[in-house]
Amino acid sequence: GAGVSQSPSNKVTEKGKDVELRCDPISGHTALYWYRQSLGQGLEFLIYFQGNSAPDKSGLPSDRFSAERTGGSVSTLTIQRTQQEDSAVYLCASSLPRLRGRDEKLFFGSGTQLSVL
Amino acid sequence: AQSVAQPEDQVNVAEGNPLTVKCTYSVSGNPYLFWYVQYPNRGLQFLLKYITGDNLVKGSYGFEAEFNKSQTSFHLKKPSALVSDSALYFCAVRATHGNNRLAFGKGNQVVVIP
Repeated sequence: GAGVSQSPSNKVTEKGKDVELRCDPISGHTALYWYRQSLGQGLEFLIYFQGNSAPDKSGLPSDRFSAERTGGSVSTLTIQRTQQEDSAVYLCASSLPRLRGRDEKLFFGSGTQLSVL
Repeated sequence: AQSVAQPEDQVNVAEGNPLTVKCTYSVSGNPYLFWYVQYPNRGLQFLLKYITGDNLVKGSYGFEAEFNKSQTSFHLKKPSALVSDSALYFCAVRATHGNNRLAFGKGNQVVVIP
């Protein structure tokens, strides 16, 4: 597709269940980010993948959160044993390789609205 | 670690008046600075960026922003606001070296009153 694709667009789950959120970045974009957007909290960084380098996982809020990126393309964010405070919009973004700021521009998907009951 | 402060939760401005959305940042070394906009029911979109060179950068939809190193600010401006500019605006920063995480502010809701 032409843009960043995220699925599902909405996910309602029960507390304690595991969920998987998927992101298909734009073809050729080696950088991929996951952010979480909550009301009044802005955009919270979760994890960053850049090519074959080790991902920056420093934003993951707990060990219940994990993410992987297979083949340098599709990424999956997994939340285990979901809690109500995990309810938010999870945004994925991708960009071209960073070259001293040139071409540095994130393209965001529409997000997955996660609701934990 | 890098961080961004957007001190105002909401900015109200009359249509046709100048619009300013404030942003200050904290980063080790030199910054790369960005503004993104989120229109109602739409995804986040890139608006403009400062990488190097001229401190005044121009972006989409008539917006511009000025990098001020001494004040560590990157305020977003538009000379004459339109009702269609009503949206959520995010400032972001990352360091040019070292930690490459792109940190966003909490966002400012801009409401342009007809």
